[in-house]
Amino acid sequence: KAGVTQTPRYLIKTRGQQVTLSCSPISGHRSVSWYQQTPGQGLQFLFEYFSETQRNKGNFPGRFSGRQFSNSRSEMNVSTLELGDSALYLCASSLAQQTSGYTFGSGTRLTVV
Amino acid sequence: EDQVTQSPEALRLQEGESSSLNCSYTVSGLRGLFWYRQDPGKGPEFLFTLYSAGEEKEKERLKATLTKKESFLHITAPKPEDSATYLCAVQAYSSASKIIFGSGTRLSIRP
Repeated sequence: KAGVTQTPRYLIKTRGQQVTLSCSPISGHRSVSWYQQTPGQGLQFLFEYFSETQRNKGNFPGRFSGRQFSNSRSEMNVSTLELGDSALYLCASSLAQQTSGYTFGSGTRLTVV
Repeated sequence: EDQVTQSPEALRLQEGESSSLNCSYTVSGLRGLFWYRQDPGKGPEFLFTLYSAGEEKEKERLKATLTKKESFLHITAPKPEDSATYLCAVQAYSSASKIIFGSGTRLSIRP
């Protein structure tokens, strides 16, 4: 059974550019959540999608956006990149809003220079 | 505001030396408390979910317990391969799709 797949694994971008990250959830999982992980702030919730609808959003500026497709694959976009956006971006999937644990991908390491 | 605090920040143990990691939480209606393990450069790996005070779960050398205010992850006779960052997270009924994580405990086991 394939796990959560995130692409690309590593990315280097310049300040002011925009970036799109991709997440393919486990087959059958309809909920996809995105998290930002930095050494200083730890894991912080970005947003969650279920059946193509955003159900919850964290405290991030509007430069961070996402979407989910009909096959449950999700993308997140960050526009006008800032140095502080450098982080590990993690995607997690689950069947629904369940408490049995979310499965995380290996993440995309974004470096903004 | 929902909050999770983990202690200690880092813990170094000798192989075979048992210890416990603490997770204190404040949440308006706990739906579930999670423990994850994270290795460098990888995403968190799910370990346990606890739902109510008094509940305990075990997996190999790990045992997680839950009270109304905190959770403990007990590590018995650890091995070097148990070295990782252990993350605690909570899910509230009021915001079930949003998981709040603690900052983690970096555990290092010396052979």
